[in-house]
Amino acid sequence: EAGVTQSPTHLIKTRGQQVTLRCSPISGHTSVYWYQQALGLGLQFLLWYDEGEERNRGNFPPRFSGRQFPNYSSELNVNALELEDSALYLCASSPGTGEVAETQYFGPGTRLLVL
Amino acid sequence: GESVGLHLPTLSVQEGDNSIINCAYSNSASDYFIWYKQESGKGPQFIIDIRSNMDKRQGQRVTVLLNKTVKHLSLQIAATQPGDSAVYFCAENNRGGSYIPTFGRGTSLIVHP
Repeated sequence: EAGVTQSPTHLIKTRGQQVTLRCSPISGHTSVYWYQQALGLGLQFLLWYDEGEERNRGNFPPRFSGRQFPNYSSELNVNALELEDSALYLCASSPGTGEVAETQYFGPGTRLLVL
Repeated sequence: GESVGLHLPTLSVQEGDNSIINCAYSNSASDYFIWYKQESGKGPQFIIDIRSNMDKRQGQRVTVLLNKTVKHLSLQIAATQPGDSAVYFCAENNRGGSYIPTFGRGTSLIVHP
């Protein structure tokens, strides 16, 4: 069974540009989570989608947004990139059965460098 | 939200030794805990989890211990191997919470052959 996949693996952008990151969850999982992992820091929660709807949002500015598609894949969009947006962006999925505190399974991440 | 922290940022061990990685959590409402392993350049990999109605759970070469009294979590790795070298994160979550786990910064485990 395939795990969580993310694309692209690496990305280089310049300040002010926009970027779209993609994630495909494990087959059968309906919940998708996005995290930012800056160098030397822990995972910071960005967004949670379940059944196509945004369920929760972390403490990030509105230029971080996303969506979930009917096939449960997801996109993370970041507008007006800033240098401090350089990080590893991780996507995770969980079954989304409605049971609280589910295990999340992570993808390999997209490493974004903003110059 | 409340934070989850790790006592030791770096742990160096010899191959074959047992490793113990510790984690302190501060949210007394947390009832679900997870350990992840993250190798360089990769995403976190689920290792083992434990719910608050248990104080010990064993996996393959790993054991997680939960002490709710002092809000402490540990991951024990038996017969540590060079392939165990990675950053280990603990995460906590709770029923009725935001469904979003809180992660610690991680402990770097270095296994010397």
